[in-house]
Amino acid sequence: KQEVTQIPAALSVPEGENLVLNCSFTDSAIYNLQWFRQDPGKGLTSLLLIQSSQREQTSGRLNASLDKSSGRSTLYIAASQPGDSATYLCAVNQGAQKLVFGQGTRLTINP
Amino acid sequence: DTGVSQDPRHKITKRGQNVTFRCDPISEHNRLYWYRQTLGQGPEFLTYFQNEAQLEKSRLLSDRFSAERPKGSFSTLEIQRTEQGDSAMYLCASSLGQEEQFFGPGTRLTVL
Repeated sequence: KQEVTQIPAALSVPEGENLVLNCSFTDSAIYNLQWFRQDPGKGLTSLLLIQSSQREQTSGRLNASLDKSSGRSTLYIAASQPGDSATYLCAVNQGAQKLVFGQGTRLTINP
Repeated sequence: DTGVSQDPRHKITKRGQNVTFRCDPISEHNRLYWYRQTLGQGPEFLTYFQNEAQLEKSRLLSDRFSAERPKGSFSTLEIQRTEQGDSAMYLCASSLGQEEQFFGPGTRLTVL
């Protein structure tokens, strides 16, 4: 059974810092991996999708990497801003149609 | 592209009542998913449809839960005889094949 873990559970950093969020998964046989952002009480916004054959994806200040063999993905946020404060979730798709989510990292960027 | 929409956004009900939620996916997406999220946790898969066919159901989906997607367009999720443990955010997502899933704003259910 696939299990997804995100560390740390919460992170607080000053504005302007670069930061890395971690995601690990137990079964490396994945189809793709998605990173999402969730604001309090809201739905999920897709940030990046990495296919199993890819090593990384970039969108603006965000960069996600994937190391399938070691069961790890990271989300790098450059030059953090207060508007980046949210919960970040990673989810793996094993081709079984459903996404398996981690518990998320609650990120606070302090002005 | 209007995105995935869900209705209602909030629902408060008394224990034992039935509730129904609606999800409208992105129009060209053939797959539609339902997830449930409790406070402080990541979403958990409930069920998914390809077109109008319901192809997988989680063990989380007890017999009080039923989902439909008539004509492969919008979907409804009904919960019968609600219990306090059903209180959660119910999220709908859609995709084209196995690609990126796009989520709606969710329906927050509170069972008193």
